[in-house]
Amino acid sequence: AQSVTQPDIHITVSEGASLELRCNYSYGATPYLFWYVQSPGQGLQLLLKYFSGDTLVQGIKGFEAEFKRSQSSFNLRKPSVHWSDAAEYFCAGWSNAGNMLTFGGGTRLMVKP
Amino acid sequence: NAGVTQTPKFRVLKTGQSMTLLCAQDMNHEYMYWYRQDPGMGLRLIHYSVGEGTTAKGEVPDGYNVSRLKKQNFLLGLESAAPSQTSVYFCASSRDRTTDTQYFGPGTRLTVL
Repeated sequence: AQSVTQPDIHITVSEGASLELRCNYSYGATPYLFWYVQSPGQGLQLLLKYFSGDTLVQGIKGFEAEFKRSQSSFNLRKPSVHWSDAAEYFCAGWSNAGNMLTFGGGTRLMVKP
Repeated sequence: NAGVTQTPKFRVLKTGQSMTLLCAQDMNHEYMYWYRQDPGMGLRLIHYSVGEGTTAKGEVPDGYNVSRLKKQNFLLGLESAAPSQTSVYFCASSRDRTTDTQYFGPGTRLTVL
């Protein structure tokens, strides 16, 4: 079955430190992959998406993600975290076989001053 | 441009009561979706619509009905609410169903006692 897994439920980083949020997918073919962010009390906002081509994808708010087929991963990174990045982050995948967007369980990011 | 709006923001129901959640979008999107969000499970698709007058089941459709009488509105109904339907409900819309960004509303927090 197609699935997206986010192994880390909570992550805490210090402001200014680098960040990497993990996402693993299980799809037969290369899926379309997305990262969304949800600020407290808000809906989800798209950070970036990967369909094909260059495996390093740039997004909004200084985020980037790298698609690694050999590791079935699509990890989200940011070189220097700001306090305003504290939120919940969702990885999601789409395949034509599944015909719907499948979300991971989410990673809650806390930022220490 | 309001984007995607949801009504109401909060609701408390007793078991067996019915209610309708309203989603409206002003982006002229063809596709609309209803998700539920439960802790640790990410978002799961309940129903979706590919255009006015058409709806389809998602991953967790049982206990819910939907209607799309106007292109800009997508209604989610609970005919006989159960405590298992306590959740946060999100509506989203997109231009197309595969590669396009989904735009989310702010959510409705529903508690069923």
